[in-house]
Amino acid sequence: NAGVMQNPRHLVRRRGQEARLRCSPMKGHSHVYWYRQLPEEGLKFMVYLQKENIIDESGMPKERFSAEFPKEGPSILRIQQVVRGDSAAYFCASSPRLAIDTDTQYFGPGTRLTVL
Amino acid sequence: DQQVKQNSPSLSVQEGRISILNCDYTNSMFDYFLWYKKYPAEGPTFLISISSIKDKNEDGRFTVFLNKSAKHLSLHIVPSQPGDSAVYFCAASAGANSKLTFGKGITLSVRP
Repeated sequence: NAGVMQNPRHLVRRRGQEARLRCSPMKGHSHVYWYRQLPEEGLKFMVYLQKENIIDESGMPKERFSAEFPKEGPSILRIQQVVRGDSAAYFCASSPRLAIDTDTQYFGPGTRLTVL
Repeated sequence: DQQVKQNSPSLSVQEGRISILNCDYTNSMFDYFLWYKKYPAEGPTFLISISSIKDKNEDGRFTVFLNKSAKHLSLHIVPSQPGDSAVYFCAASAGANSKLTFGKGITLSVRP
């Protein structure tokens, strides 16, 4: 059973460009979460999605950031007009729809975004 | 406002000895707690969890203890091995399928 997949693993963008980060959850998982880790910090929640629905976006910056989890295909975290402060590691996690341990989230390897 | 706190940034222990990693929380709504292990340039790996209805959960060399009255949990690793050297994150959630709130992590070094 493949784990959570994220690509690209590394992404370099210049200020003002767009960044698209992709996440494929574990097989059988229908809940996707995005987190961001700044240097020397813990992971910070950004957004929680189910298929075609945003459940909780309380951690998303109000501007430039958006996320989707379409019926088919991976979840996408999109950052428009990137700035240097967006440089961070972005992690995706997934959890099953129905399980005893519904709160256990399994993480992907992350995408390291560098904004020049 | 840091709701999950790991106050010690690092811990060094001898191989074979016990490692005790501590975590405190402030939000009384948290009802599920997890520990993750993370190597550089990799994603967090789930280690062990505990529900608020329990005070102890054990899985092999890893045991998590929860003291709800003190809002404190700890991860015990015994015996510690050099491969355990990593950053350990404590995380908590309130309710099913809700976001995780993480501590800043503690770097564990196990000396051979």
